[in-house]
Amino acid sequence: GDSVTQMEGPVTLSEEAFLTINCTYTATGYPSLFWYVQYPGEGLQLLLKATKADDKGSNKGFEATYRKETTSFHLEKGSVQVSDSAVYFCALSIGSSNTGKLIFGQGTTLQVKP
Amino acid sequence: ETGVTQTPRHLVMGMTNKKSLKCEQHLGHNAMYWYKQSAKKPLELMFVYSLEERVENNSVPSRFSPECPNSSHLFLHLHTLQPEDSALYLCASSRRLVITDTQYFGPGTRLTVL
Repeated sequence: GDSVTQMEGPVTLSEEAFLTINCTYTATGYPSLFWYVQYPGEGLQLLLKATKADDKGSNKGFEATYRKETTSFHLEKGSVQVSDSAVYFCALSIGSSNTGKLIFGQGTTLQVKP
Repeated sequence: ETGVTQTPRHLVMGMTNKKSLKCEQHLGHNAMYWYKQSAKKPLELMFVYSLEERVENNSVPSRFSPECPNSSHLFLHLHTLQPEDSALYLCASSRRLVITDTQYFGPGTRLTVL
């Protein structure tokens, strides 16, 4: 079945370090891919998305490229800040044109230390 | 996003109680969703509504009963819950029920079942 696998956390980095959170997926058809972020005590917020192969989503210094050949959508940021500490969820949306089902990975906790 | 609100933010209930969770979206969207977020597990889609009609029930026990009286409001009625139902319940909405449309999440209701 369709699924998303993220690297296990927590990931602990120092401020200004480079971040990579790996995400791979299994899906039939052509999914859209998303990264959501959840700050402590809050709901999920969309961070970025890509809807077709080779698209790059970007927002707030974060980037991810939809790689169909490796079925991956890794999240990267060149220089993390303490305020980036949160849980990051990779997700895919799959189905016919009239469905919007999101399948999430298990989430990766990022801790950034000053 | 502040366009999706949920009340209450916290709820403690006994196994014999009946309570309801409320979600309201101010975005003019046509699709709404209930998700369950348990510790150490990926987010689980529970229900999907499009134009006030339920289009998906993801094998959710009957002690959870959704209601969508109009496109702006979504309820989750709870009765005779179990302690393992304790979780964060998230509501989301999207403009349409298509895989490329972004889902916007509310802050969630933290439910504790005693």
